[in-house]
Amino acid sequence: AQSVTQLGSHVSVSEGALVLLRCNYSSSVPPYLFWYVQYPNQGLQLLLKYTSAATLVKGINGFEAEFKKSETSFHLTKPSAHMSDAAEYFCAVSGSNTGKLIFGQGTTLQVKP
Amino acid sequence: DADVTQTPRNRITKTGKRIMLECSQTKGHDRMYWYRQDPGLGLRLIYYSFDVKDINKGEISDGYSVSRQAQAKFSLSLESAIPNQTALYFCATSDLTSGTYNEQFFGPGTRLTVL
Repeated sequence: AQSVTQLGSHVSVSEGALVLLRCNYSSSVPPYLFWYVQYPNQGLQLLLKYTSAATLVKGINGFEAEFKKSETSFHLTKPSAHMSDAAEYFCAVSGSNTGKLIFGQGTTLQVKP
Repeated sequence: DADVTQTPRNRITKTGKRIMLECSQTKGHDRMYWYRQDPGLGLRLIYYSFDVKDINKGEISDGYSVSRQAQAKFSLSLESAIPNQTALYFCATSDLTSGTYNEQFFGPGTRLTVL
């Protein structure tokens, strides 16, 4: 069985500050991990994905995430927040060839001027 | 043009009415999914289809049915809508043969309100 927990349903940062969104997973098989972003009134867009090639994954818009097997974590970071980063972020996990994603509860990122 | 489209984008209906949400894709993917999104609950899988003849229930299929009319089309029906089915509904596609590791591509969503 697989599951995802996102710590913090709301995160607020100032523009220019570090963004850290936390994701912990549980998986009985080697996981594939994803971060998706949902801007207001839009569908989900892939930010980045971990597929076992490299533990530090770089995505779009300056985001990156590090896979830490010992901590079962896949936290999302960005060095400097921009107002346009305000959105809801979802972490998701999948096992090899299951064809399904299991999503976390989501974290809403607020960026203050 | 969008690769995954959903119609309608917004719908208000009354309790007891039958409603169909439609999804079409031009990505050529064989796998399609329906999710609902509720605040604080993330996305939950309703149904998924790995090809036209393969349809599977997800974690919250009660009260819903689906039809895979063609590789590119996957419809979600609420036979008798109830207020707790008010939610944002997403269609998604994926293609394992391309080595995308279950990456899914999402439509823009349908906001459904049941009064």
